[in-house]
Amino acid sequence: ETGVTQTPRHLVMGMTNKKSLKCEQHLGHNAMYWYKQSAKKPLELMFVYNFKEQTENNSVPSRFSPECPNSSHLFLHLHTLQPEDSALYLCASSQVRAGGDTDTQYFGPGTRLTVL
Amino acid sequence: SQQGEEDPQALSIQEGENATMNCSYKTSINNLQWYRQNSGRGLVHLILIRSNEREKHSGRLRVTLDTSKKSSSLLITASRAADTASYFCATDAGGSEKLVFGKGTKLTVNP
Repeated sequence: ETGVTQTPRHLVMGMTNKKSLKCEQHLGHNAMYWYKQSAKKPLELMFVYNFKEQTENNSVPSRFSPECPNSSHLFLHLHTLQPEDSALYLCASSQVRAGGDTDTQYFGPGTRLTVL
Repeated sequence: SQQGEEDPQALSIQEGENATMNCSYKTSINNLQWYRQNSGRGLVHLILIRSNEREKHSGRLRVTLDTSKKSSSLLITASRAADTASYFCATDAGGSEKLVFGKGTKLTVNP
């Protein structure tokens, strides 16, 4: 257990559905991240939240909408997805020091998303 | 282009042998990290080496860092079947809350 939990672990949705992925960290960290991992591609950073403020949106399509209500919870709201959005979505957290320097990131187990 | 690139992309060895994976990066860094991922699971942090360090050990893991060559290596000694996983290097790209990951090396340790 890394102290980062994600639900659901598996999700199958149609292109017209709306669903949300949830991430919770129990480590007292101040930064949280969403990553997308597709087959044969590097891990892609999607969003970064630092002290609940979004500090990075890596050109992610608007059909992905993040929400960070507090420093322990992170959501990824999904709507009108495409089949190519099928992937493993990983959440991570870390403690960012003054100046932005980051230490170890702790990952959740991921949500395996399939879009039909 | 991506910051970290691992080499080789895939490695298959017998139990008991050593496994060496390499990582090259492009820009200056504050630290470089190695992670492991079992199939379809989250990444697990293995070791972090700072830019002013040259070598670091953790159990059967040995990491080296050569900032002049912008490269790092991960050595797993006396490998076990349970070491079968993908291994990723990640860099902080010179002081940032972000990490940039490579595509990884897929290691298979045959019993």
